[in-house]
Amino acid sequence: EDKVVQSPLSLVVHEGDTVTLNCSYEVTNFRSLLWYKQEKKAPTFLFMLTSSGIEKKSGRLSSILDKKELFSILNITATQTGDSAIYLCAVSIYGQNFVFGPGTRLSVLP
Amino acid sequence: DAGVTQSPTHLIKTRGQQVTLRCSPKSGHDTVSWYQQALGQGPQFIFQYYEEEERQRGNFPDRFSGHQFPNYSSELNVNALLLGDSALYLCASSLATLAGYTGELFFGEGSRLTVL
Repeated sequence: EDKVVQSPLSLVVHEGDTVTLNCSYEVTNFRSLLWYKQEKKAPTFLFMLTSSGIEKKSGRLSSILDKKELFSILNITATQTGDSAIYLCAVSIYGQNFVFGPGTRLSVLP
Repeated sequence: DAGVTQSPTHLIKTRGQQVTLRCSPKSGHDTVSWYQQALGQGPQFIFQYYEEEERQRGNFPDRFSGHQFPNYSSELNVNALLLGDSALYLCASSLATLAGYTGELFFGEGSRLTVL
């Protein structure tokens, strides 16, 4: 059965801290891995990763994929209270839809 | 450019009733996927519609059905509601690809269903 696991499930940090969120997967016919941020309702797209070892960056956020070890990390540096959200990892499987992990709930305290 | 729109935003039903949720995809998108997100969990794939047909389906019972219209908008119907159907129902649109996989998903704000 296709599975996506995220850790930690919950994380509390203070503004300015750096956090690393983890996503591991066991799926057949892997196509790509996506990260989404969900603040209230609609998840919003952050990154799509298809190749190993190539870091994607957007401001204070960055992500990388390791297709050999079947995991990805999402880094957030100099966290702000606006980073508080649920971060979802999703894997696209060829011929099928996306399998989502349970999410990591990040709380950034002032 | 309108994004994905869903209606209604909130609704309350009782067990055994039926519900219809609606979704209009992002302009230019032709594929609509529906997800169920229970509290504290990640979205679970229900089904996907492309060219007015159900193309993929997750592990959900036949009580969950859908439809896609010629203008690409879609409906999700749930019959014989159970307490466990209470969740946020997310619609996501995307562009179909020739390679047979789903492109990047753009989500709507969701419809929060409460079953009493």
